[in-house]
Amino acid sequence: DAGVIQSPRHEVTEMGQEVTLRCKLISGHNSLFWYRQTMMRGLELLIYFNNNVPIDDSGMPEDRFSAKMPNASFSTLKIQPSEPRDSAVYFCASSSGGTGPRFEGGYTFGSGTRLTVV
Amino acid sequence: EDKVVQSPLSLVVHEGDTVTLNCSYEVTNFRSLLWYKQEKKAPTFLFMLTSSGIEKKSGRLSSILDKKELFSILNITATQTGDSAIYLCAVSTDSWGKLQFGAGTQVVVTP
Repeated sequence: DAGVIQSPRHEVTEMGQEVTLRCKLISGHNSLFWYRQTMMRGLELLIYFNNNVPIDDSGMPEDRFSAKMPNASFSTLKIQPSEPRDSAVYFCASSSGGTGPRFEGGYTFGSGTRLTVV
Repeated sequence: EDKVVQSPLSLVVHEGDTVTLNCSYEVTNFRSLLWYKQEKKAPTFLFMLTSSGIEKKSGRLSSILDKKELFSILNITATQTGDSAIYLCAVSTDSWGKLQFGAGTQVVVTP
């Protein structure tokens, strides 16, 4: 099991550029969560999907942010145009879905993408 | 608005000490409370608690939930330098696994 795989690990871009972050879920997981972590605001949930369907995108800060899940194992988070205040570590996490009796392991987080917008 | 508050924000202890971390919550639809440890990279799962009064243990770490008083504690006994990390508390508020995280407690264990 390769775990949740995120790319790139680091991204430095200029303000106004488009940024695309990528995430590959663990095989068999059907829920996907995008989080952003900053010193000021901690871990914030941006959007999450279940079985490729967006469930709640109320955490997406602005229309500049969009996320897709084109298939069961892959997701992208796009920021266009990027701004310096978007600088953060972006994590995706996957799970086997739900918090019922099956959900004993919590999420599995990817290693994150550190985004710096200058 | 759902809130998860952790205390203290940070602490420094000596190896061998016992540490108690607190997490209180106010949420509209509580399903479970989870603890994570974050070292340099991604948070890693420690415990999930759904029932009051039942302690969960893993080695030197243990945790318990009080659903009446709306809080949880995480204990670390006989601390080691490898326990230095940020400990995150999160509350699940829907059936999909949506988590509201607290700000975390930074623990530093000195030799």
